[in-house]
Amino acid sequence: DIQMTQSPSSLSASVGDRVTITCRASQGISNYLAWYQQKPGKVPKLLIYAASTLQSGVPSRFSGSGSGTDFTLTISSLQPEDVATYYCQKYNSAPRKFTFGPGTKVDIK
Amino acid sequence: QVQLQQWGAGLLKPSETLSLTCAVYGGSFSGYYWSWIRQPPGKGLEWIGEINHSGSTNYNPSLKSRVTISVDTSKNQFSLKLSSVTAADTAVYYCARVFNIVVVTAIYWYFDLWGRGTLVTVSS
Repeated sequence: DIQMTQSPSSLSASVGDRVTITCRASQGISNYLAWYQQKPGKVPKLLIYAASTLQSGVPSRFSGSGSGTDFTLTISSLQPEDVATYYCQKYNSAPRKFTFGPGTKVDIK
Repeated sequence: QVQLQQWGAGLLKPSETLSLTCAVYGGSFSGYYWSWIRQPPGKGLEWIGEINHSGSTNYNPSLKSRVTISVDTSKNQFSLKLSSVTAADTAVYYCARVFNIVVVTAIYWYFDLWGRGTLVTVSS
């Protein structure tokens, strides 16, 4: 079973900072990875799919990269409204299964 | 605009069966998989399983023995039943649409629409 890890588990950064979150798969998953943002008390929201494709309507300060086992979500200039927990998610085709990473909590310093 | 509206009992006793339903309004029901995802208080997201309009299901192996997901295409609804619940099943349960996009020969699957969530508490 492919395991997903995220680092760091939490971070605190200043407004305007560049923030990078890492997601690692225990085996290669090509680019079958998505990223979600969950603000406190809210429903998760899709940010990125196929590792690097920005979902429609998502601000361009968010970007994703990676393939195989190592992936990153970058916020180029952190904004107060970006305070949230970010989850990566992989998809298995055989058997069909979805797995989320443990999450990274982002706060404003 | 597609909306997912979910409902079900919010307080259960241990050993009872959790039952939730999600209705899809304002868009196509067929052609998609529809999922259930849960989130224990203060913890991460866990995929429970999914169903499509023809009734084909896939379940998380960790919950498979207790989970049944069914569909009612006449009402554009799908439902979750989780049997023999314990306190460990206390969570916010979300319904979600599984969207897919084809890029060359690859198909990418992800959750693009979510219900508002239902808090289910299991307590004696």
